[in-house]
Amino acid sequence: ILNVEQSPQSLHVQEGDSTNFTCSFPSSNFYALHWYRWETAKSPEALFVMTLNGDEKKKGRISATLNTKEGYSYLYIKGSQPEDSATYLCALIGAGGTSYGKLTFGQGTILTVHP
Amino acid sequence: DGGITQSPKYLFRKEGQNVTLSCEQNLNHDAMYWYRQDPGQGLRLIYYSQIVNDFQKGDIAEGYSVSREKKESFPLTVTSAQKNPTAFYLCASSTPSGHRNSPLHFGNGTRLTVT
Repeated sequence: ILNVEQSPQSLHVQEGDSTNFTCSFPSSNFYALHWYRWETAKSPEALFVMTLNGDEKKKGRISATLNTKEGYSYLYIKGSQPEDSATYLCALIGAGGTSYGKLTFGQGTILTVHP
Repeated sequence: DGGITQSPKYLFRKEGQNVTLSCEQNLNHDAMYWYRQDPGQGLRLIYYSQIVNDFQKGDIAEGYSVSREKKESFPLTVTSAQKNPTAFYLCASSTPSGHRNSPLHFGNGTRLTVT
């Protein structure tokens, strides 16, 4: 099973702060990477799908970068708001072996934004 | 509005009983998935189906069974052979191109408690 690590496990920030967190994965087994936001009592919602080294994607105040050679992706939130509070999930599609074609999720980063 | 419907939201069963979780989608997606979430762990893949009348085991298929008789429906049966069935179950779907380029769409989940 592919090893997808997210850090930190949880994060508390003040409204207006900018923040970022990391998704790490084995660089030799990369096919595509997904980021999802999961708010309490709702279903996970897709933020980004990234496939190319050097990819940068942006959606409002949230952006993500991808480095497939070193095996990591960063998610940035600029000027955090209380409504950004959620669990952010990273998921990787493996390129070989038993991981091929399957989406493997990290444990998630729980973000709490305090007013 | 198109979406994925999981029912029921909460389910309680006695140990030794089989139980079936419902998942219906009207997004016209070919691929459907079942994930399980346990505290402190990422989402883990139970079963997936890329087309009607075909499905494959995920990483933790033991003690579960599925069927895919209709494109819209992918029910999951938790059998008495599943050693730790109490968990949160999420159903998802994606477009025929697969999730290399397309994100997953999730239902709201079913929380199963077995006593």
